Amino acid sequence: EVQLVQSGAEVKKPGESLRISCKGSGYNFNTFWISWVRQMPGKGLEWMGRIDPTDSYTNLSPSLQGHVTISVDKSINTAYLQWSSLKASDTAMYYCGRYSGYDLVDYWGQGTLVTVSS
Amino acid sequence: QPVLTQSSSASASLGSSVKLTCTLSSGHTTYIIAWHQQQPGKAPRYLMKLEGSGSYNKGSGVPDRFSGSSTGAARYLTISNLQSEDEADYYCETWDSNSQIFGGGTKLTVL
Repeated sequence: EVQLVQSGAEVKKPGESLRISCKGSGYNFNTFWISWVRQMPGKGLEWMGRIDPTDSYTNLSPSLQGHVTISVDKSINTAYLQWSSLKASDTAMYYCGRYSGYDLVDYWGQGTLVTVSS
Repeated sequence: QPVLTQSSSASASLGSSVKLTCTLSSGHTTYIIAWHQQQPGKAPRYLMKLEGSGSYNKGSGVPDRFSGSSTGAARYLTISNLQSEDEADYYCETWDSNSQIFGGGTKLTVL
């Protein structure tokens, strides 16, 4: 069974750093890209970027370039989303997703809630 | 880049059918899309991949009550025999030029 298991909820202060994770199991992790999607409170789904576990090649949404980093450790089947300096506006639920062969998400993680507040 | 347009809300009665629409912008009418369901307080769930031909492939465990179809730029999700658990937000998704695109979502209310 394909599963994406994300790390737990985080509460941070503005300016702090954070890394959240997404661990894949039940399939060949190297074969499928992983995406990160943001959902701000009461809003829709917003794509942030994706990574190829084979070579760590990434596509990032232009609006988020320079603010977040996506990385992967294929030895432990885990992808990461990282901030070096959080803002209050980063408060959101973050989901990872696995891409099918058609560049569409076919499995989702359970989500990680990030709250940034002073 | 394509734009995916969805109605913000829809409603239908328990046991009836509803057809949700996702419309691709001009010049992108052949794109393959995916439909996702997000029940309140839960993560999205992949429902199906839907091609411009109307051919669709559902995800694991998706009930037979869910089906897809296409006409031109429109991609449809039909839910038959509506159940209370179908009350959710429904999003369409596609990919183009190194960017994932989501529709704004349709909030389905089951009366």
